[in-house]
Amino acid sequence: KQEVTQIPAALSVPEGENLVLNCSFTDSAIYNLQWFRQDPGKGLTSLLLIQSSQREQTSGRLNASLDKSSGRSTLYIAASQPGDSATYLCAVQYNQGGKLIFGQGTELSVKP
Amino acid sequence: EPEVTQTPSHQVTQMGQEVILRCVPISNHLYFYWYRQILGQKVEFLVSFYNNEISEKSEIFDDQFSVERPDGSNFTLKIRSTKLEDSAMYFCASRGQGGSYNEQFFGPGTRLTVL
Repeated sequence: KQEVTQIPAALSVPEGENLVLNCSFTDSAIYNLQWFRQDPGKGLTSLLLIQSSQREQTSGRLNASLDKSSGRSTLYIAASQPGDSATYLCAVQYNQGGKLIFGQGTELSVKP
Repeated sequence: EPEVTQTPSHQVTQMGQEVILRCVPISNHLYFYWYRQILGQKVEFLVSFYNNEISEKSEIFDDQFSVERPDGSNFTLKIRSTKLEDSAMYFCASRGQGGSYNEQFFGPGTRLTVL
């Protein structure tokens, strides 16, 4: 069964810290992987998409890496800010146009 | 910047009633999706729609559910006879075709409460 797992489920850090969120997937034959941010009671905001042929993508203070062979991706957030507090979701896609399979998310809290 | 919109933002209905959730995908997108998220649980795929037909559906998407693209801009999800367990946040998503257009863009969601 194709499953996505995110560790940790929750993370609390002081402002300014660099942090890493982890995502693992059971079937490594992914087409691409997408990281999202979800604020409480809100929709999903796409942060980064990594194609299966790529090893990393960067956007501002965010860097996502992909190790397809080991079934893992990490989202690195540099110099965290209170405004980064949200739930971060990882999702994988196995074919073009196909469904996204989501992890349960990591709830991040950045304390001032 | 183009975005996916959804209406209503919150729908309250009685068990057994029909509801229609509406979405306006990003114009020129060709793939459309519905997902749902029960409170405290993972986001789950319901159905994908391309070229005016369902391309994939999950086990959740049974005969009580249907989707339609009634015109060139709207994409709807209908639940014929709602159950308590249909209470969830429903998200619509859309994406373009091919190349770098693999990213799915999500709407803000409709919170459905079934009483």
